[in-house]
Amino acid sequence: DAGITQSPRYKITETGRQVTLMCHQTWSHSYMFWYRQDLGHGLRLIYYSAAADITDKGEVPDGYVVSRSKTENFPLTLESATRSQTSVYFCASSAGFGSPLHFGNGTRLTVT
Amino acid sequence: GENVEQHPSTLSVQEGDSAVIKCTYSDSASNYFPWYKQELGKRPQLIIDIRSNVGEKKDQRIAVTLNKTAKHFSLHITETQPEDSAVYFCAASRGKNSGYSTLTFGKGTMLLVSP
Repeated sequence: DAGITQSPRYKITETGRQVTLMCHQTWSHSYMFWYRQDLGHGLRLIYYSAAADITDKGEVPDGYVVSRSKTENFPLTLESATRSQTSVYFCASSAGFGSPLHFGNGTRLTVT
Repeated sequence: GENVEQHPSTLSVQEGDSAVIKCTYSDSASNYFPWYKQELGKRPQLIIDIRSNVGEKKDQRIAVTLNKTAKHFSLHITETQPEDSAVYFCAASRGKNSGYSTLTFGKGTMLLVSP
């Protein structure tokens, strides 16, 4: 689905550094989501947004910050990266709850 | 909140065999149940979904069944092919008319289809 893009695809950072993962969608979907994927845990929701300037916590929000000033963008910031945040991060969008999720290609983040 | 259990965690079959993956959910108000396929190194992609007003849905070689009373749903893949090898995730959520909720995913099933 070319309508949702994430950047960067790969990122290596050091413990304590701030890092921002970008997500952009062109479908004008109201809802956007950030998931992390770890072996043995499946996909866990970090934060989601129902519209511009509306965000809410998911299952594992600690250590993350999000913003949504524009409908098409939903950046995820790790304010002070820790090794436990090493993971694959997926951004997704949908027309609403009860509608299919469309995932981006993911960002593989390594915190050393 | 919702809790989704998925079994088995790994499944190995021979090409041409059928594969069944089962999920149970805890929230009786959940009414939307999608299945995602994730190939190695790729994004999860929706392969089929079902809503609680139907008991079964088919799309070529894949089908999903839903038992609302027992709160479980299953993915059936017939005539498996090597390209079906992937991780499959089930999920559940409340949609419209049921009080919205975000999708809760199962932990995934790694399906390996041997030629």
